Amino acid sequence: GQNIDQPTEMTATEGAIVQINCTYQTSGFNGLFWYQQHAGEAPTFLSYNVLDGLEEKGRFSSFLSRSKGYSYLLLKELQMKDSASYLCAVMDSNYQLIWGAGTKLIIKP
Amino acid sequence: DGGITQSPKYLFRKEGQNVTLSCEQNLNHDAMYWYRQDPGQGLRLIYYSQIVNDFQKGDIAEGYSVSREKKESFPLTVTSAQTNPTAFYLCASSIIRDSGANVLTFGAGSRLTVL
Repeated sequence: GQNIDQPTEMTATEGAIVQINCTYQTSGFNGLFWYQQHAGEAPTFLSYNVLDGLEEKGRFSSFLSRSKGYSYLLLKELQMKDSASYLCAVMDSNYQLIWGAGTKLIIKP
Repeated sequence: DGGITQSPKYLFRKEGQNVTLSCEQNLNHDAMYWYRQDPGQGLRLIYYSQIVNDFQKGDIAEGYSVSREKKESFPLTVTSAQTNPTAFYLCASSIIRDSGANVLTFGAGSRLTVL
């Protein structure tokens, strides 16, 4: 079966750095996505990785290792508005998205 | 501004009733999707459509129906056959690429509660 694993919840301090991990087992691989979702709102696109390595976009970076079936989202200089759920999704060989359950990130002052 | 509009944001339904959730987009996207989101689970695909007058079942299509009569609109009907319809429903759209980089744009969601 296909599976995406993420931690259910993480807590971090304002101004700090946090890393949210995502491991996957899917039928083929055509890219990995990270989305941010504030409670009761629409998910919004953060990043897309299809090749190994680190993609940096401002305070957010995303890393991919295809051989290990592993990705992480790195958030720097955390702000209170970063409190949200972070969703990892993998596109399989049929171009279907498989979604993780999401990681709820709590930022404390 | 371009985007996706879902309505209503909150909906209450009595058992045995059908309800229809609206989804309209002005992004000129060819593909549209309906997802269901439940606590502790990943998004699950209900139906999707890549062209007008055509749509495909997703992983959990039973108890739901859709139509795609216009490119901009993709309404979802939750029928009385859906045994556990209380959930947060998300509509999304995307352009269609040959590569996997199909970024989804989501609507704000509709929360359906069965009384």
